Amino acid sequence: DTGVSQDPRHKITKRGQNVTFRCDPISEHNRLYWYRQTLGQGPEFLTYFQNEAQLEKSRLLSDRFSAERPKGSFSTLEIQRTEQGDSAMYLCASSLELGTGILSNQPQHFGDGTRLSIL
Amino acid sequence: AQSVSQHNHHVILSEAASLELGCNYSYGGTVNLFWYVQYPGQHLQLLLKYFSGDPLVKGIKGFEAEFIKSKFSFNLRKPSVQWSDTAEYFCAVNADGNNRLAFGKGNQVVVIP
Repeated sequence: DTGVSQDPRHKITKRGQNVTFRCDPISEHNRLYWYRQTLGQGPEFLTYFQNEAQLEKSRLLSDRFSAERPKGSFSTLEIQRTEQGDSAMYLCASSLELGTGILSNQPQHFGDGTRLSIL
Repeated sequence: AQSVSQHNHHVILSEAASLELGCNYSYGGTVNLFWYVQYPGQHLQLLLKYFSGDPLVKGIKGFEAEFIKSKFSFNLRKPSVQWSDTAEYFCAVNADGNNRLAFGKGNQVVVIP
């Protein structure tokens, strides 16, 4: 399968611990997005990268959240000092964008997500 | 800020019935519109999309959607559903150059055989 891959599929951790999730996008895709989805809601945008540059991070939920894409390929999302409210599905998506600052018509391809449960 | 509204969060219908799911968005400028579907245990998949041109767009599995600009709507339809259409359906809007999608809350559709 050459789709978007996320690891792990499930993460259970105690409150206060740090967690890191990985996303491998479709190989030729230059844009990578992170979303969060809670029960009964649609995905909520967090941040995105074009190649290795993080172009939007104002929607990250707090300074405990950070994301990287150091080589423009895979990305990691880290949550420090986890809280109960961080329990959610974290989704990664990728797309191939031909420009910046234009309304793109390229759809995003989503991974299976990482389900985070905080005890 | 962009917002997307989907009503009737839970829909239950019998096979061969017609399905229509409403989607309204708040942004007044140029938009790209999408419907995604999530089958049980699977990832979000693109069902169909509208960028420009014919406001009636056809997607996979017999789905279609109509963009009505004056109503800020992008409703999804299928004339005759099958049990395999049981899934959650999400409407999404992209209204800026970041291609950042704003999603609705989704419609959980259950088709009874």
